[in-house]
Amino acid sequence: AQSVAQPEDQVNVAEGNPLTVKCTYSVSGNPYLFWYVQYPNRGLQFLLKYITGDNLVKGSYGFEAEFNKSQTSFHLKKPSALVSDSALYFCAARGQAGTALIFGKGTTLSVSS
Amino acid sequence: EAGVTQSPTHLIKTRGQQATLRCSPISGHTSVYWYQQALGLGLQFLLWYDEGEERNRGNFPPRFSGRQFPNYSSELNVNALELEDSALYLCASSSRVGRETQYFGPGTRLLVL
Repeated sequence: AQSVAQPEDQVNVAEGNPLTVKCTYSVSGNPYLFWYVQYPNRGLQFLLKYITGDNLVKGSYGFEAEFNKSQTSFHLKKPSALVSDSALYFCAARGQAGTALIFGKGTTLSVSS
Repeated sequence: EAGVTQSPTHLIKTRGQQATLRCSPISGHTSVYWYQQALGLGLQFLLWYDEGEERNRGNFPPRFSGRQFPNYSSELNVNALELEDSALYLCASSSRVGRETQYFGPGTRLLVL
């Protein structure tokens, strides 16, 4: 069965420190990988995606993610966290274009000042 | 460019009633996806419409149904509402060309009493 795992329910980081939110996936075929962010009582905002090409993907708001095929991982990173980055982050994947996304359970990022 | 819009923002129904949720995709997008975000269950895929046809559905009972109109807007109908249908219902759209990325609306919060 296809799945996406986010092993941490919560990540706590001090403002200015680097952050990492972990994601591993299991999908058939070449994966399409995504990160979304959700603020309270809001929909999901697209951050970045990996389809093919360079393993390091840059996205919105200074976020980036590294695709690692051998470890089937797609970790979200940011060099310097902001308090405003505090939100719920979802990793998503699918095995082929046009099909539904499979989401991880989400990781709550809390950035303290 | 306007994003994905959903209406209503909130909906309160009683058990056994029917609910109708609406979604307007980003202009130019032909695919519409529906997801349910229930407390403790994460984001689960409900339905996918493309060019007016239902392309795929998730593991939900038949009382969850919908349709896509010629202008690519979509409607999600939930019949015989149950308490556990209370959730945030998210609609997403994607374009034919760059159909890998789904862009989400703000959601409709359904409360079943």
